[in-house]
Amino acid sequence: DTAVSQTPKYLVTQMGNDKSIKCEQNLGHDTMYWYKQDSKKFLKIMFSYNNKELIINETVPNRFSPKSPDKAHLNLHINSLELGDSAVYFCASSQDGRGRSTEAFFGQGTRLTVV
Amino acid sequence: GNSVTQMEGPVTLSEEAFLTINCTYTATGYPSLFWYVQYPGEGLQLLLKATKADDKGSNKGFEATYRKETTSFHLEKGSVQVSDSAVYFCALIPREGYNKLIFGAGTRLAVHP
Repeated sequence: DTAVSQTPKYLVTQMGNDKSIKCEQNLGHDTMYWYKQDSKKFLKIMFSYNNKELIINETVPNRFSPKSPDKAHLNLHINSLELGDSAVYFCASSQDGRGRSTEAFFGQGTRLTVV
Repeated sequence: GNSVTQMEGPVTLSEEAFLTINCTYTATGYPSLFWYVQYPGEGLQLLLKATKADDKGSNKGFEATYRKETTSFHLEKGSVQVSDSAVYFCALIPREGYNKLIFGAGTRLAVHP
């Protein structure tokens, strides 16, 4: 049973399109995250939700909008896709949003390619 | 601000060689420190962690010690295997605020038979 699962695994789309990535965790965790990994493998947090409440919102274009219908799901919707949005997007979850030693569990990633 | 600096890769070793991947950090106060590993085509997995000065994290033969005097958290393994080939990320969670992992740039390790 996959702990953190993302769909789709690969996404190829044209500039200007709108797309969504879905994430689900079955670990019973309270906190979920979106991270972006660029072509050089650099990872940076985008958003974090705790019990459906947005708690971290890094400097991300407004075209990116996370949505958490319940604490087990965190989706990422991207409007008007640009070439620079091409990256691997990782969903992650952790038991809570403040425990300093809390392990984060990552999904397998969604490779988004904008052409 | 908070940041993590790792040695650039790739690191190429023969099987059974000794591994060191350097990691230093900048942070306010005392962050928690982590090493995550990413195998090809997979997400990140926690390898080990340390939450206070002089703590040693260890797992699968890997070790790292939280050194506040040098603000370092170097990853070591005495004898690497081909199966250790992966990208290794050093990361911290700042002392203040909500949890967010701040990652280094990652170091690719390639181990040859």
